Amino acid sequence: NAGVTQTPKFQVLKTGQSMTLQCAQDMNHNSMYWYRQDPGMGLRLIYYSASEGTTDKGEVPNGYNVSRLNKREFSLRLESAAPSQTSVYFCASSGTGYQPQHFGDGTRLSIL
Amino acid sequence: GQQVMQIPQYQHVQEGEDFTTYCNSSTTLSNIQWYKQRPGGHPVFLIQLVKSGEVKKQKRLTFQFGEAKKNSSLHITATQTTDVGTYFCAAIPDRGSTLGRLYFGRGTQLTVWP
Repeated sequence: NAGVTQTPKFQVLKTGQSMTLQCAQDMNHNSMYWYRQDPGMGLRLIYYSASEGTTDKGEVPNGYNVSRLNKREFSLRLESAAPSQTSVYFCASSGTGYQPQHFGDGTRLSIL
Repeated sequence: GQQVMQIPQYQHVQEGEDFTTYCNSSTTLSNIQWYKQRPGGHPVFLIQLVKSGEVKKQKRLTFQFGEAKKNSSLHITATQTTDVGTYFCAAIPDRGSTLGRLYFGRGTQLTVWP
């Protein structure tokens, strides 16, 4: 099983450009999450989706949009990238209740 | 919103020394999870604690959940170089939490000198 797959693994953007980070899971999980990780800040939740068809804001949603395309896929979009969005982005998924979260390998995003 | 404080932020030990990281919440928690992230890697689930006063062991790792369910600790006995990484606690509040959403501490970054 692949688990949680994120694409791309690395990306460099210029300020103002847009892009979509892709995430797919093959564990039939209901819940999916997007986090960003910055040095010394831990993991901060951007958006999450408790089930197909629903999305909710997390701790740091400004500048981002998400789409829960189906049960497997949850994408994160930056409409107009800013240098402050330079970070490592992790997608995660979990089963029902308080099951552990399974993380993808991350996308390392730099915005110049 | 829910806040989870984790200390210390950094810990440097010599191989063979013990290591402890602490996680504290101002509110009662439903349960708490611990994750490990190796340098350059992604967080990986270690364990979940649910009951008041619960203690669980995984080889050299001992996890505790406080009696009041407001704090937790991870203790590593006789550290090895393979223990290097960042350890995160992740809390689920007792009330009002969207199912599945975790509140992560900022992590403790462990460095082990050989």
